[in-house]
Amino acid sequence: DSGVTQTPKHLITATGQRVTLRCSPRSGDLSVYWYQQSLDQGLQFLIQYYNGEERAKGNILERFSAQQFPDLHSELNLSSLELGDSALYFCASSVAGIQLSGNTIYFGEGSWLTVV
Amino acid sequence: GNSVTQMEGPVTLSEEAFLTINCTYTATGYPSLFWYVQYPGEGLQLLLKATKADDKGSNKGFEATYRKETTSFHLEKGSVQVSDSAVYFCALSANFGNEKLTFGTGTRLTIIP
Repeated sequence: DSGVTQTPKHLITATGQRVTLRCSPRSGDLSVYWYQQSLDQGLQFLIQYYNGEERAKGNILERFSAQQFPDLHSELNLSSLELGDSALYFCASSVAGIQLSGNTIYFGEGSWLTVV
Repeated sequence: GNSVTQMEGPVTLSEEAFLTINCTYTATGYPSLFWYVQYPGEGLQLLLKATKADDKGSNKGFEATYRKETTSFHLEKGSVQVSDSAVYFCALSANFGNEKLTFGTGTRLTIIP
């Protein structure tokens, strides 16, 4: 158990809909990351938050947004869903927002999203 | 930009065989290097890491040495078990700036008894 909690574990929704994925980081971790794992794109970094503020942005679509709340949990919002958005979405957390001698990033078990 | 090139899979080995999964990287500066493992139906788990040249990361019988001269971080295990069947990901993070991980494509390993 990494200590990173993601909900829901599985989600099936229709095209055009909107979903919210939730993540609770490990106790004491200030950074939250979102990654997307799909068969054709592999593991792609989406976005990082550090202590409530956006720190880095990767290959995140404009239809997707995220935020980190004062209690440090984070939500990833996916809207106008398309079939191609079907993927495993990982949340991860770490202590710092800046690389310090290889800080470990801990991953949750992921949220499986299926768009039909 | 940073990138990781990983040995294509899938890889199938017999139990107790020697394992090597190749990983090379391209990065500016001196990145930290990681191997993550994903067991069937589970999330990503850190297997081992190395933060500077010539460091050796090790865990659960797996080892990888950070080779700056060849920009490589190959994963090895002397005697694999059926329970090692999983997908293995090589990854790096830059040593300056944010910590986001850049992953390789993953190598699926199957160990047959």
